[in-house]
Amino acid sequence: ELKVEQNPLFLSMQEGKNYTIYCNYSTTSDRLYWYRQDPGKSLESLFVLLSNGAVKQEGRLMASLDTKARLSTLHITAAVHDLSATYFCAVDPSGSGTYKYIFGTGTRLKVLA
Amino acid sequence: DADVTQTPRNRITKTGKRIMLECSQTKGHDRMYWYRQDPGLGLRLIYYSFDVKDINKGEISDGYSVSRQAQAKFSLSLESAIPNQTALYFCATSEAGKYTGELFFGEGSRLTVL
Repeated sequence: ELKVEQNPLFLSMQEGKNYTIYCNYSTTSDRLYWYRQDPGKSLESLFVLLSNGAVKQEGRLMASLDTKARLSTLHITAAVHDLSATYFCAVDPSGSGTYKYIFGTGTRLKVLA
Repeated sequence: DADVTQTPRNRITKTGKRIMLECSQTKGHDRMYWYRQDPGLGLRLIYYSFDVKDINKGEISDGYSVSRQAQAKFSLSLESAIPNQTALYFCATSEAGKYTGELFFGEGSRLTVL
């Protein structure tokens, strides 16, 4: 059974600081996704990582994928309050496009002014 | 207007009642999904459908059923609601044949079963 674990579950950080959120998964997959959810809102896609070594950046967020280590990271650079949200990683367990995505439990990020 | 629309957005019901959550999309995607979100548990897949004639169970399908009425419509039913089905439900779509496979979510339906 595929398990997707994120840590930390909660993260409170000061504006301007850097931090990394980790997503570990328990089976082979070369497809990993990051989503953002604002409180009371839906999820929106942030990054799509489709191969080992993939790195994507958008503003202060950078995501990477190491399929051999079964690990993805979401790095936050110089955090700002607008980044406060819950971040989810999701894995396609088959890697063959069945799209039965398994989600991590989420990391709730709070950026303090 | 949202590309993926869920109705109702909020619903309070009693144990034993039948509930239907509806999802419609204008994205033209073939693949549709129902997820359930509980605090601390992330999102869990209930059912998914890759086209009108293809329905598949997800991780937690017990107590739920679905209907794919058309390419654009995918409904989730709780035949006899129970309190532990209180949750936030999301419908999502993805595009068949598109290599990225990212999901596009509706706004969510918050269900409370008393």
